[in-house]
Amino acid sequence: DAGITQSPRHKVTETGTPVTLRCHQTENHRYMYWYRQDPGHGLRLIHYSYGVKDTDKGEVSDGYSVSRSKTEDFLLTLESATSSQTSVYFCAISEGTGGVEAFFGQGTRLTVV
Amino acid sequence: GQQVMQIPQYQHVQEGEDFTTYCNSSTTLSNIQWYKQRPGGHPVFLIQLVKSGEVKKQKRLTFQFGEAKKNSSLHITATQTTDVGTYFCAGIPGRRALTFGSGTRLQVQP
Repeated sequence: DAGITQSPRHKVTETGTPVTLRCHQTENHRYMYWYRQDPGHGLRLIHYSYGVKDTDKGEVSDGYSVSRSKTEDFLLTLESATSSQTSVYFCAISEGTGGVEAFFGQGTRLTVV
Repeated sequence: GQQVMQIPQYQHVQEGEDFTTYCNSSTTLSNIQWYKQRPGGHPVFLIQLVKSGEVKKQKRLTFQFGEAKKNSSLHITATQTTDVGTYFCAGIPGRRALTFGSGTRLQVQP
């Protein structure tokens, strides 16, 4: 497996609290992605990064922010968690785009109560 | 909404039966990828198709890319219990980021 680590792996938090999920890679890949997975919706792109400090929104970015200050780390922040953000979050990395496979982390199961 | 759609959303087959999932994009794709996610696991890359009309095989799995490069299919011949999981197609429909379809969950009855 590619060197991708997500932390934490599980988290329960209360509505209204801020939450940060971390994705760390040791592959020096340029692209990093955050997806959420919910039943019936597959994998939906939240935000992605194409370089240090270069990020862009995905299809479900509302309520989320990201930061990438180093090649190896991509942080996803829920500024004020809501129950609708209960989900499994996957980080992925790829060397490039347009025909390069993506490698996924193990996922973070987040529950907002 | 999602620009890459998959059908069916779920399929339950008897072991030994065939299975097919279809992927459709609203825009032309430069290439399409397929991933498999085992229950409780993370998506894992299976294959990539690039050329119009391309067909690739991996043992019992056959992947096709449509002539217009807007649709694709994955066919599994004689399913086995090890085929259980969710199959996703993925492409880059206009964005610079990999966009996944909604997935097809396959259940195989022994």
